[in-house]
Amino acid sequence: SQKIEQNSEALNIQEGKTATLTCNYTNYSPAYLQWYRQDPGRGPVFLLLIRENEKEKRKERLKVTFDTTLKQSLFHITASQPADSATYLCALGNSGGGADGLTFGKGTHLIIQP
Amino acid sequence: ETGVTQSPTHLIKTRGQQVTLRCSSQSGHNTVSWYQQALGQGPQFIFQYYREEENGRGNFPPRFSGLQFPNYSSELNVNALELDDSALYLCASRRTGGPYEQYFGPGTRLTVT
Repeated sequence: SQKIEQNSEALNIQEGKTATLTCNYTNYSPAYLQWYRQDPGRGPVFLLLIRENEKEKRKERLKVTFDTTLKQSLFHITASQPADSATYLCALGNSGGGADGLTFGKGTHLIIQP
Repeated sequence: ETGVTQSPTHLIKTRGQQVTLRCSSQSGHNTVSWYQQALGQGPQFIFQYYREEENGRGNFPPRFSGLQFPNYSSELNVNALELDDSALYLCASRRTGGPYEQYFGPGTRLTVT
């Protein structure tokens, strides 16, 4: 069955450093991958989307890579700030209009310490 | 904040009862999906509606059903509630076609006792 793995433990990073979050998947050939941020008691907020034929995407302090051979995506936050503390969710999607919905990982809890 | 709203915010029901959750999608979005998020887990896809028809479904039993209205708002109905149905229910809207990002609402926290 399809499986998505994200860092199961909380990730503690010192303010100003780069935070790197990992998303690994098995038994899946996604057409695209998305990253979302979720704060406690709130709905996920879209951050970045990367397609299967793309290697890297950037948006301000965020960067995502997608390696379909390794079946892995890395999500980087540079110059991290305490306000970046949240749970980050990796989500995979198929082609075909998205009727299969997104398949989410459990998320990584990121803590940026001042 | 996205333009997706959900009601109610919190709900407590008894096992065996039925519940209806409501969602108003973001302006211009004609595709609505519902997700269930248990504590400490990622969201799980329940189903998707487009043009008032269900056009995709995850691994959920038929007692989970939905509706979409001409104004693209949506309802999620759950019959014969079970304790394991306790979760955060998220509604997400997006434009149709392409792998567009999902815009999630704040969710409805359902507790089944």
